[in-house]
Amino acid sequence: GENVEQHPSTLSVQEGDSAVIKCTYSDSASNYFPWYKQELGKGPQLIIDIRSNVGEKKDQRIAVTLNKTAKHFSLHITETQPEDSAVYFCAGSLGNQFYFGTGTSLTVIP
Amino acid sequence: NAGVTQTPKFQVLKTGQSMTLQCAQDMNHEYMSWYRQDPGMGLRLIHYSVGAGITDQGEVPNGYNVSRSTTEDFPLRLLSAAPSQTSVYFCASSSGQTLNSPLHFGNGTRLTVT
Repeated sequence: GENVEQHPSTLSVQEGDSAVIKCTYSDSASNYFPWYKQELGKGPQLIIDIRSNVGEKKDQRIAVTLNKTAKHFSLHITETQPEDSAVYFCAGSLGNQFYFGTGTSLTVIP
Repeated sequence: NAGVTQTPKFQVLKTGQSMTLQCAQDMNHEYMSWYRQDPGMGLRLIHYSVGAGITDQGEVPNGYNVSRSTTEDFPLRLLSAAPSQTSVYFCASSSGQTLNSPLHFGNGTRLTVT
């Protein structure tokens, strides 16, 4: 199956700074890469996704980039706010399964 | 739409007891799945279903059973609970049978096995 690795496991930034979370995947057949945000006591919620035929996608302060050759994709959050504090998961889909990274706990310091 | 609804929210079991975690979705999604979430290990797939009457194993299926008699419901059964099954369980659904669209998650069931 697929192996998705995520770094860093924890990240602290000052409010207004940018945050970057990186993921790599092992199987070049993976073709869809969503990012999820999980707040305490809740289920993960989709924040942005990218398909393998696209190199970059942006939605307001959030962007995702995909490098198929290197098999890595990254989440970029600009102008961070305290409400961005949460755990973020990357994932890749292969066949009928999603494979998740181990999560990044982001803390935005006011 | 309620989305994905999981019950119960919390459960404590003794070793050897059995129980069923319920999951229902009202989005007419074909794909449904169960994950467990443990600290430092992300989300691991237990079982999934691409439609009514069809189920398959994920990464960590041992100790769990599922069935899919309707499009809406996908219960997860623990036949004989073990302390290693202490975890937070999430049900998730997706439109279509191929995974090129996102998962919609419920809010989880926190299970403790003593």
